[in-house]
Amino acid sequence: AQKVTQAQTEISVVEKEDVTLDCVYETRDTTYYLFWYKQPPSGELVFLIRRNSFDEQNEISGRYSWNFQKSTSSFNFTITASQVVDSAVYFCALSGSSASKIIFGSGTRLSIRP
Amino acid sequence: EPEVTQTPSHQVTQMGQEVILRCVPISNHLYFYWYRQILGQKVEFLVSFYNNEISEKSEIFDDQFSVERPDGSNFTLKIRSTKLEDSAMYFCASSQDGTGVYGTEAFFGQGTRLTVV
Repeated sequence: AQKVTQAQTEISVVEKEDVTLDCVYETRDTTYYLFWYKQPPSGELVFLIRRNSFDEQNEISGRYSWNFQKSTSSFNFTITASQVVDSAVYFCALSGSSASKIIFGSGTRLSIRP
Repeated sequence: EPEVTQTPSHQVTQMGQEVILRCVPISNHLYFYWYRQILGQKVEFLVSFYNNEISEKSEIFDDQFSVERPDGSNFTLKIRSTKLEDSAMYFCASSQDGTGVYGTEAFFGQGTRLTVV
């Protein structure tokens, strides 16, 4: 069975602080894919990043960075120098090699206070 | 930039009525999906569709639900007899290849908020 756990339900930080969103996954597949999506207050789901199970290189995109650690089955997301516009619900998600579906975690609601 | 479009943005329907939610996936994508999100909860997979047939479906996708690609551009979700618990945001998504087999990211539409009264 596949499962994604985002233990942090809500996080609130002051603007310019760094914040890390945790994601832990479970899968029996040897090949799998991990995703992060952002859901701003307007409601749409915005793709942020994809990572396959063979690529443990960390990735940085501007203020965003992702840390994939297979040993701990984690795929954490860090926002540095947070901004009010980063306020959203962030979903971590997983897709196995044999499936044409994405399993989402329950999401972390991030609030950035000015 | 190509995007997935969904209509209507908000639909109110009476319990027991049939409802059809419409989606236009990104034009060169081959896989199509429906997900739903009950207010404040997680995004749940309903069904995936490839090569004019259902590829996978969840236990939520029972006989009350059906999907169709009636022409080369639209992808629809029909709920035959709506229940109160069908009230949710329904997202259509598409991907160029399978999200599992190829790890291709899915792009989501802006959603249709369905309210069953």
